[in-house]
Order: sequence, then C-alpha cells, then structure tokens
Amino acid sequence: KAGVTQTPRYLIKTRGQQVTLSCSPISGHRSVSWYQQTPGQGLQFLFEYFSETQRNKGNFPGRFSGRQFSNSRSEMNVSTLELGDSALYLCASSADGGETQYFGPGTRLLVL
Amino acid sequence: KNQVEQSPQSLIILEGKNCTLQCNYTVSPFSNLRWYKQDTGRGPVSLTIMTFSENTKSNGRYTATLDADTKQSSLHITASQLSDSASYICVVSAIGQAGTALIFGKGTTLSVSS
Repeated sequence: KAGVTQTPRYLIKTRGQQVTLSCSPISGHRSVSWYQQTPGQGLQFLFEYFSETQRNKGNFPGRFSGRQFSNSRSEMNVSTLELGDSALYLCASSADGGETQYFGPGTRLLVL
Repeated sequence: KNQVEQSPQSLIILEGKNCTLQCNYTVSPFSNLRWYKQDTGRGPVSLTIMTFSENTKSNGRYTATLDADTKQSSLHITASQLSDSASYICVVSAIGQAGTALIFGKGTTLSVSS
C-alpha cells in the first residue's frame, strides 16, 4: 500500500503571497489531518477533514484553510503569507481519525 | 489548560546503552497517548498507542508505560542503535464535545553516538 504523499516537498514564497499544499492519504483512509511543525512550537494541529467535512480545527487564524475532495485527497491553503508561516507542514491520514495516524514526509515552506 | 511536557529536551547516549524519555500531561478528558519517532526530514512514525487501561506496550526495543493516575508516561529504549537518533514526540488525545483534540509535546531529541 502506498503511503501518504505530499506535494510539493519544498516551496519558497514571499510575504503576502498565497500557497496551496496537497496531500494524498493512504488508500481507504477517510480522515486527513494537517499540522504545522516549527522548531520553537513543535507540532501544532491545524485541522482535520473526514468525508469532505472539517471535523476538528486547531487554533490558527482564518488565513489557514483546507478542503477535502471526494477521493479523500486534501489541500491546505495559506493566504497572505507571513514570515512566521515558514514551517514544515505535515499531513496525516487514518481510517477514522481515532486510529493510528500515518504521516507524510511533509512540505517545507520558506517565506521570504 | 491541556498540556504535554516532555523531558529531557535533548539527550546524548552511547550506542548499546538504554535510555528513558518522559512525558507528563494535564489533558482531560483523556482518550489515549501515543509516542512517535521522527527522523530528520521525515514525518513522524507511530511507535505505540495506549488507552487509559493499558500500563505498558512494547514495540521491539521500545517500551512505553502509562500511569493514568499520575498522568505520566515514559518511553524506554533498550540497547540503543545509531538509527534510534531522532526526535520522540508524545501526543495525548482528548475527546470532548468539540471532537477529538490532539495535544503534542515538543519532543525529545535523542542522539546515539558510537
């Protein structure tokens, strides 16, 4: 079974731009969660999607949004990028959210 | 406030030695506790998951313990190998009216040297 894939793996943007990251979960998994990881804050939960609906949401501003498609693939969008948005963005999938999550390799975003 | 504290922040040990990583949490209502291993440049990989009623769970050379009364967990690594060098993250899950919340520790960075 293929693992969780994320694209792109690396991205450089400038302040004020927007970015869209993509995540393809493990086949059959319907839950996709997004996380931001920075050296200072560690892993922080952004949101979780299940069957195309946002089921849980972390404490991030509205500039961070996401969606999930009918094939369970998910996208995350960050608008009006700030320097502090530079981070590793991880996506994780699970069969039903409460089970073990399987993480992708992440997208490393650098905002200049 | 739901929090997960891990100690030590970093650790250096010699290959072949044992070590224990700590995780203390103040999370309610508790659902489960997970330990993840994250190699540099990769996503976290699940090592163990324990519910309230489980005291210990092993995965090869990794053994996790949970004391739900004192709200403490530990991850013991036996006969360490160079490949154990990674960040180890403790995650506590809470289920409330708003759904499931995952509270992450900031991790312990383990370096195993030869």
